[in-house]
Amino acid sequence: AQKVTQAQTEISVVEKEDVTLDCVYETRDTTYYLFWYKQPPSGELVFLIRRNSFDEQNEISGRYSWNFQKSTSSFNFTITASQVVDSAVYFCALSEAGGAGSYQLTFGKGTKLSVIP
Amino acid sequence: EAGVTQSPTHLIKTRGQQVTLRCSPISGHTSVYWYQQALGLGLQFLLWYDEGEERNRGNFPPRFSGRQFPNYSSELNVNALELEDSALYLCASSFGQGAFYEQYFGPGTRLTVT
Repeated sequence: AQKVTQAQTEISVVEKEDVTLDCVYETRDTTYYLFWYKQPPSGELVFLIRRNSFDEQNEISGRYSWNFQKSTSSFNFTITASQVVDSAVYFCALSEAGGAGSYQLTFGKGTKLSVIP
Repeated sequence: EAGVTQSPTHLIKTRGQQVTLRCSPISGHTSVYWYQQALGLGLQFLLWYDEGEERNRGNFPPRFSGRQFPNYSSELNVNALELEDSALYLCASSFGQGAFYEQYFGPGTRLTVT
């Protein structure tokens, strides 16, 4: 069965600090997709990134970067020079491509990030 | 382009009642997913519809049901409401069937059962 673990329940940082959100996953599929979503106080989940299991290249998008390591089953998310607007709950999620063809997302419990001005 | 829309925004129901939540996907998206976000339980998959058919359901009792219409919009019905059904219900749509396609979420419907 697939599983996503976000061990950090809450993190507080001072504005402009860098912060890394950890995500560890479990799956038996060889083909799968990993996602990060942001949930601001308004409640709507905002898609941030998708990564497939065959692409271990790190990705950078502005202040955001993602580190995917299959050897440790981790897909960590780093925010550089954090801003108050980054305050939100961040979810890591997994979708398996094989099996019975069920493509729902399995989410971690989320990490609540608070950026203090 | 309009995103995923959900209605109503908030709902208060009494235990034992029935409720219907609605979702309109992004134009061109054929798959609709429903998730429940209850306090302390995280985000849990409820139902998946694609091309008008239920493709999969999560570990929820049969009183959670739904359907997808020809225009790909969807309804989630919950019968015999229980207090633990209080949650944020999120709808997501994707362009096609497959893990490759990212899911885009609506703002959710917050259901309170008293």
